Amino acid sequence: ETVLTQSPATVSLSPGDRAILSCRANQSAGDHVSWYQHKPGQAPRLLIFDSSNRAPGIPARFSGSGSGTDFTLTISSLAPEDFALYFCHQRINWPPTFGGGTKVEFK
Amino acid sequence: QIQLVQSGSEVKKPGASVRVSCRISGYTFTNKGISWVRQAPGQGLEWMGWISGSPGSATYHPKFQDRVTLTTDPSTSTAYMEMRSLRSDDTAVYYCARASISTGQSPLDYWGQGTLVTVSS
Repeated sequence: ETVLTQSPATVSLSPGDRAILSCRANQSAGDHVSWYQHKPGQAPRLLIFDSSNRAPGIPARFSGSGSGTDFTLTISSLAPEDFALYFCHQRINWPPTFGGGTKVEFK
Repeated sequence: QIQLVQSGSEVKKPGASVRVSCRISGYTFTNKGISWVRQAPGQGLEWMGWISGSPGSATYHPKFQDRVTLTTDPSTSTAYMEMRSLRSDDTAVYYCARASISTGQSPLDYWGQGTLVTVSS
């Protein structure tokens, strides 16, 4: 199955900083990678689908890029509510798989 | 607004079965399928399977093929995940999530709040 490796596992940043999160696949995932935000006790939230498409209602500070085996989620300027866990998900190879997550924490 | 509301926490003994429900509101249940995903303590997310909104055909991760059954009740807009022969390593938070396109290989655009299933003797 497709293994998604996210890095870093944890990143310490301040509000206003740029966050760059990486998701690397061990085989091509085309452009079929999604990104989700997950806060404790809440339902995960879809941010980006198919590499670069923002889900409805997602602020423009969230952007996604990449294809093949390397994908990036960028948060251009961290808002206080953006400190959370982020995970990637590939859907094109069977079975669908998820990355281990990157935690964005306050510095 | 679209909501997926899951049933409450469960504690089960090894060998028992559990059924988790996921009640949908805010859209036509039969138009979209539901995927089930779990997260064990300290582990990443694991996709378990998908069931279509109509006519309720399911696709399973090979790991869960023999122990999990996904069903739906369109009359109540509810999806169910049943797992049998529970083991301690099935202890996890189980999520239902709406598939944005009609396949198990889909982005998941709305999620339930999760159901903690604890398997312990």
